[in-house]
Amino acid sequence: DGGITQSPKYLFRKEGQNVTLSCEQNLNHDAMYWYRQDPGQGLRLIYYSQIVNDFQKGDIAEGYSVSREKKESFPLTVTSAQKNPTAFYLCASSIDRGIPYNEQFFGPGTRLTVL
Amino acid sequence: GESVGLHLPTLSVQEGDNSIINCAYSNSASDYFIWYKQESGKGPQFIIDIRSNMDKRQGQRVTVLLNKTVKHLSLQIAATQPGDSAVYFCAENAGGTSYGKLTFGQGTILTVHP
Repeated sequence: DGGITQSPKYLFRKEGQNVTLSCEQNLNHDAMYWYRQDPGQGLRLIYYSQIVNDFQKGDIAEGYSVSREKKESFPLTVTSAQKNPTAFYLCASSIDRGIPYNEQFFGPGTRLTVL
Repeated sequence: GESVGLHLPTLSVQEGDNSIINCAYSNSASDYFIWYKQESGKGPQFIIDIRSNMDKRQGQRVTVLLNKTVKHLSLQIAATQPGDSAVYFCAENAGGTSYGKLTFGQGTILTVHP
């Protein structure tokens, strides 16, 4: 069953702690993305990666870090430097591979609450 | 239609009516557009896409219209059903080397009353 998995679905952390959100895909997609969504808002791009061992900052990268050591995995770390980390985090992937007009497929999301 | 701000636009319709959701985009270089549907607590799902060399594309019960002159995109849903209730986002891709990189609109809340 192909798709994108994110774990856990709900995550609670104390203020000042770093936390890592998992994202795995078995679609053989080259590109992966992390978005943040706040209540009543659209999706804002945090980081994206078009190929293994390479990634670029999105519009709101401050306070976040990522790695892309494997094609299938793109974990996101929310650091203590992120001022307002409570949000719904969405991971996505797309074929990319130099092919234009490719849609992004989304995971089910992780709701992070920092207490 | 979609707008900048803290409150999402809303559209309420009766079951069986046709729905039209609008989106204004800002980048005249954008050449690919997608509509996504997001149900509460879930990730967005692809509905339909359109390339800039087209002005209309039809799917099952959905039609997307693109007006590049005024940078406007719309999603029409025929015979709207309660299961269509969700937030709808338009997304644009500006092409170039980041083929998959999308910029999302604010979203519109669609509520379908039985």
